Amino acid sequence: EAGVAQSPRYKIIEKRQSVAFWCNPISGHATLYWYQQILGQGPKLLIQFQNNGVVDDSQLPKDRFSAERLKGVDSTLKIQPAKLEDSAVYLCASRPLRDLGNTIYFGEGSWLTVV
Amino acid sequence: SQQGEEDPQALSIQEGENATMNCSYKTSINNLQWYRQNSGRGLVHLILIRSNEREKHSGRLRVTLDTSKKSSSLLITASRAADTASYFCAGEGSNDYKLSFGAGTTVTVRA
Repeated sequence: EAGVAQSPRYKIIEKRQSVAFWCNPISGHATLYWYQQILGQGPKLLIQFQNNGVVDDSQLPKDRFSAERLKGVDSTLKIQPAKLEDSAVYLCASRPLRDLGNTIYFGEGSWLTVV
Repeated sequence: SQQGEEDPQALSIQEGENATMNCSYKTSINNLQWYRQNSGRGLVHLILIRSNEREKHSGRLRVTLDTSKKSSSLLITASRAADTASYFCAGEGSNDYKLSFGAGTTVTVRA
């Protein structure tokens, strides 16, 4: 079974530029998450999708971050314009159902450096 | 909001020794999950323990859960150099099903 795929793996941009990250979850997984992990900290949930609907985006900085999952499969996370404090790993994760006891599977992450 | 808080922040042990790390959480949970993260890599799921379970084993891993104290522990027995990584606990909230992580414990296993 293929895992959660993310691209690009690494990106360096200047502040005020824009960047987009792509995620393809495990086939059949209805729930998709984007987490932000700043160096030395634990991951923080940015947004959660169930199929193509947003379940929770309470911690997404909506003035600069946006995310979509148009067909209920893959997802894109965009940052525009980027700030220095956006330097982090952006982790995509998925699981079959929003149900008790189901493991959440993470991708390798997209590493962003804003200079 | 942060659900898990790990202790200690960092741990250095000799190969073959056991490593124990603790996690405390704040609100009621459906389950608590432990993940490993090697440097520069994503999160790897290690073990999930449900709120009605007290102990769980998987290979060299042993996890306990005490819901009355809102705490969990992860024990790695007979550690190996390959166990060098950061370990995170994450509680799935019983009301919102959100998986919230702590800051992690960095484990270094010396050869």
